[in-house]
Amino acid sequence: QLQLQESGPGLVKPSETLSLTCTVSGDSISTSSFYWGWIRQPPGKGLEWIGSIFHSGTTYYNPSLKSRVTISVDTSKNHFSLQLISVTAADTAVYYCARHHFIRDLNWFDPWGQGTLVTVSS
Amino acid sequence: SYDLTQPPSVSVSPGQTASITCSGDKLGNRYACWYQQKSGQSPVLVMYRDSQRPSGIPERFSGSNSGNTATLTISGTQAIDEADYYCQTWDSGSVVFGGGTKLSVL
Repeated sequence: QLQLQESGPGLVKPSETLSLTCTVSGDSISTSSFYWGWIRQPPGKGLEWIGSIFHSGTTYYNPSLKSRVTISVDTSKNHFSLQLISVTAADTAVYYCARHHFIRDLNWFDPWGQGTLVTVSS
Repeated sequence: SYDLTQPPSVSVSPGQTASITCSGDKLGNRYACWYQQKSGQSPVLVMYRDSQRPSGIPERFSGSNSGNTATLTISGTQAIDEADYYCQTWDSGSVVFGGGTKLSVL
């Protein structure tokens, strides 16, 4: 059974870098035909896609976040990571990782991790 | 950028049919999917490729997509269906989510 688990600091100071890791169990990132994605949800608000990565390193990013985001993959550890630089209070959100089914314009996320709340505050 | 518009809220009586819409320019020419998010939980995929139900999703959930509107329909709505629902599509290299609809079963 595929499971995804987010991990990382729950509190980040303004202007610093948010770093999260998603560990995948039940599937091998290196041989999978799927992409792997990050999505966030500010408290009480809707979902916002951050970006997705393939095991080859091919990435797609949300244009509104692209200048601050890096998503990377470590196939030896079967995990992928998110870095968001220069964070502000507006980056406070629950961050989810998910398997991204992506074939040209046909795509969806399933399953999702449990999510981790990251608060940006001094 | 491409926008998906959902009604903020929809109310339905138990046993009745709930329809949740998602509107976007020529959305029918794209694929849409839907997620259900219950309070305090992660989103769960309930519909993909417009009208395909993932394994484990009850048959009372169905989907359609034509013209400018994708619709998630829940027949015989139950109290356990009360949740936020989000539509999603793909545009020019980006994933796009709708703003979400809160379904109340009253």
